[in-house]
Amino acid sequence: GEDVEQSLFLSVREGDSSVINCTYTDSSSTYLYWYKQEPGAGLQLLTYIFSNMDMKQDQRLTVLLNKKDKHLSLRIADTQTGDSAIYFCAEYPTNTGFQKLVFGTGTRLLVSP
Amino acid sequence: DGGITQSPKYLFRKEGQNVTLSCEQNLNHDAMYWYRQDPGQGLRLIYYSQIVNDFQKGDIAEGYSVSREKKESFPLTVTSAQKNPTAFYLCASSIKASYGYTFGSGTRLTVV
Repeated sequence: GEDVEQSLFLSVREGDSSVINCTYTDSSSTYLYWYKQEPGAGLQLLTYIFSNMDMKQDQRLTVLLNKKDKHLSLRIADTQTGDSAIYFCAEYPTNTGFQKLVFGTGTRLLVSP
Repeated sequence: DGGITQSPKYLFRKEGQNVTLSCEQNLNHDAMYWYRQDPGQGLRLIYYSQIVNDFQKGDIAEGYSVSREKKESFPLTVTSAQKNPTAFYLCASSIKASYGYTFGSGTRLTVV
């Protein structure tokens, strides 16, 4: 089945690292994504990872994928107040009739000075 | 610049009235999607369309209707049958789902 779970809230101090976690259930997913949503705005694609990778790094962002446990995480190094937003993970399951992304419920990250 | 435009950004309507939300893209994407976002509930898929003149219901299609007469446009009508229409509506498009979606900036609909 299709289900993507995230914790609802994370609070960190400026300069700390943030780790946002996600679990998914569809082992057919070949791509996994992280999106960022700032208040009152649409979603912006931050990064993605192929299912044959364990890790992907892009500047302050590190994505870790544990396929065995179906666990995806996003680490933001040196978190800034501008990183405060809702972060969505999404999977791309390939065993459905029409391929579409399945989104998690989103994690609200609050960065305090 | 290519992108996806939703209008208006804010919309107020009286209960019992139909209202249409606009979504236009100039990215030459084949697929388009409508999502509803409520606090703490993430994104819920309303309708999606793979090609012109074809669309399918998503998880919460009741009380909504769409059309796809042009590749660039995918308007969403919120009908009076939708019991709780007040929400933030997001439109997205993709050339291929595996490449990820491009989202519009959203329309906040308030029904009073």
